[in-house]
Amino acid sequence: QITLKASGPTLVKPTQTLTLTCTFSGFSLSTSPLAVGWIRQSPGKALEWLALIYWNDDKRYSQSLRSRLTITKVTSKNQVVLTMTNMDPVDTATYYCAHARQGVAVHFFDVWGQGTMVTVSS
Amino acid sequence: SYVLTQPPSVSVAPGQTARITCGGDDIGSKIVHWYQQKPGQAPVLVVYDNSDRPSGIPERFSGSNSGNTATLIISRVEAGDEADYYCQVWHSYTDHYVFGTGTTVTVL
Repeated sequence: QITLKASGPTLVKPTQTLTLTCTFSGFSLSTSPLAVGWIRQSPGKALEWLALIYWNDDKRYSQSLRSRLTITKVTSKNQVVLTMTNMDPVDTATYYCAHARQGVAVHFFDVWGQGTMVTVSS
Repeated sequence: SYVLTQPPSVSVAPGQTARITCGGDDIGSKIVHWYQQKPGQAPVLVVYDNSDRPSGIPERFSGSNSGNTATLIISRVEAGDEADYYCQVWHSYTDHYVFGTGTTVTVL
């Protein structure tokens, strides 16, 4: 059974750096062609894809947030870490991590973690 | 950037069929996935690769994709299908994962 759990601070101040950890079980991120992604959802808004890391350490970032995001994996700990710099109140959202597997040609998010709410406020 | 446009809301009576559209430029050439999100919960995959269902998802959920519109079809709608639904594609040109604007399904 695949499970994921996102964790991190619930409150950060503007300009601070946010570090979120996705701890998962039931799979290894060294297995081709798996991936783990981060998606966020501001209150009352749609889902927004942020970043994704593949089993081979290849990484993809949202164009609009690329300069602020870093995604890494710690395979031995079954963790994926997302850092976002220069946090702003508009970054207030629930942050989800999700397991991604490949279908006929592209990846999709088949198992999601419960999400962690992050509020940006001074 | 690639935009996926969904109607904000769809209302349907129990037992009827709900059709949720997802519009995008030549989306028919892409592979579409659909997620269901109930209030306070994480999204759940309901359709992948345009029309396949994960295990545990009722056959009432199906999908199609052609031209500039992909469609999630929920047959014999039940009260428990009330939720937000999102389409999603991988846009090869930008190598980005893109979500639709979301549709709230209300069961009357």
